Amino acid sequence: DQQVKQNSPSLSVQEGRISILNCDYTNSMFDYFLWYKKYPAEGPTFLISISSIKDKNEDGRFTVFLNKSAKHLSLHIVPSQPGDSAVYFCAAKPGVNTGTASKLTFGTGTRLQVTL
Amino acid sequence: ETGVTQTPRHLVMGMTNKKSLKCEQHLGHNAMYWYKQSAKKPLELMFVYNFKEQTENNSVPSRFSPECPNSSHLFLHLHTLQPEDSALYLCASHKNRETNYGYTFGSGTRLTVV
Repeated sequence: DQQVKQNSPSLSVQEGRISILNCDYTNSMFDYFLWYKKYPAEGPTFLISISSIKDKNEDGRFTVFLNKSAKHLSLHIVPSQPGDSAVYFCAAKPGVNTGTASKLTFGTGTRLQVTL
Repeated sequence: ETGVTQTPRHLVMGMTNKKSLKCEQHLGHNAMYWYKQSAKKPLELMFVYNFKEQTENNSVPSRFSPECPNSSHLFLHLHTLQPEDSALYLCASHKNRETNYGYTFGSGTRLTVV
């Protein structure tokens, strides 16, 4: 049972345009969501996150939107650049940070290709 | 370099071999994780260590044996693996109560079982 789903395995966007990556989740206990970016032969790197008390978080060219009622989040990259070409993973965690090790559940990833 | 170092980067082993994967971080993080990434699958959590105590074993077969001698080092001992265990094994670390909850991942060990 996949609790975090990224239904688009790949996405191709022209340089300068907006990239929109989508993620759906099923577990109502998730209250914190993250996006990671992964280049080939490297581990995933943290990109941006959002708490369930917000519906939007912005960091430069990256904005994450959260729709709790739809259990849906999206990552917007604008403008897209060739260096953004990578695999993007959506991740989620339940509960509050109680001091115990947090446990992230990841999606399958979306491969973004930004073309010239 | 992210601050989490995994060795070796690549490993080819036979089904009867015994090998170990190593992960090291000097970021002051107290939680360490092993994840498995197989093609077209989500990253699968294998083990969680918090202050060098194992707090999670996600139904991982006993042919994978983790070891965490201290908060900076994590090992994954492998023995009698199967070809379907071929995957990218990722180590991550995290500091509890860190606001953004982001893990720091290593570059992974690409394991091939022949």
